[in-house]
Amino acid sequence: NAGVTQTPKFQVLKTGQSMTLQCAQDMNHNSMYWYRQDPGMGLRLIYYSASEGTTDKGEVPNGYNVSRLNKREFSLRLESAAPSQTSVYFCASSEEKNQPQHFGDGTRLSIL
Amino acid sequence: EDQVTQSPEALRLQEGESSSLNCSYTVSGLRGLFWYRQDPGKGPEFLFTLYSAGEEKEKERLKATLTKKESFLHITAPKPEDSATYLCAVQAGNDYKLSFGAGTTVTVRA
Repeated sequence: NAGVTQTPKFQVLKTGQSMTLQCAQDMNHNSMYWYRQDPGMGLRLIYYSASEGTTDKGEVPNGYNVSRLNKREFSLRLESAAPSQTSVYFCASSEEKNQPQHFGDGTRLSIL
Repeated sequence: EDQVTQSPEALRLQEGESSSLNCSYTVSGLRGLFWYRQDPGKGPEFLFTLYSAGEEKEKERLKATLTKKESFLHITAPKPEDSATYLCAVQAGNDYKLSFGAGTTVTVRA
């Protein structure tokens, strides 16, 4: 009963390094999302994918790229990491766009 | 721009002491209001969806209500295991985006 699985759970990068965060869901959901969570702020949407083959920008897309590899997998890439991207990153999925989103347990990313 | 404000930021309760959390929102065309629970080091866990004013949902000691401007999460006779951060989020218009509040951290002492 895995639900949404994110890897890695923790990562430390140096400024300028690149990194791909992986997300997979086993619920046959159509829509997938990437959020970041910072202290004192609500979760903010980075990118989303309404269905396989489509991706769209969310509230804070700058510095990130995404790939919807197939229906199960949605990856988030940092091409040149910056200290401002230190955060906890959550992947979520939902059956359709107006259905509840189900979250993974996050990737804790520190950029020095 | 959609705005979601949760209050209070933190709430400390004695076991059995009932209380309410508030989520006020300013959106154009509410499609749904979602409540989540988040434990430390974990992702948010879905609790309820409310779609229209007057709607109520219950689960164990939790009850969520919705008006045209705000939602309340009532915790009745809480137990220590109800300690968590409770997040509110709204979805409006045809946008996929969930706009989240910053959360209320509830601590229940035995």
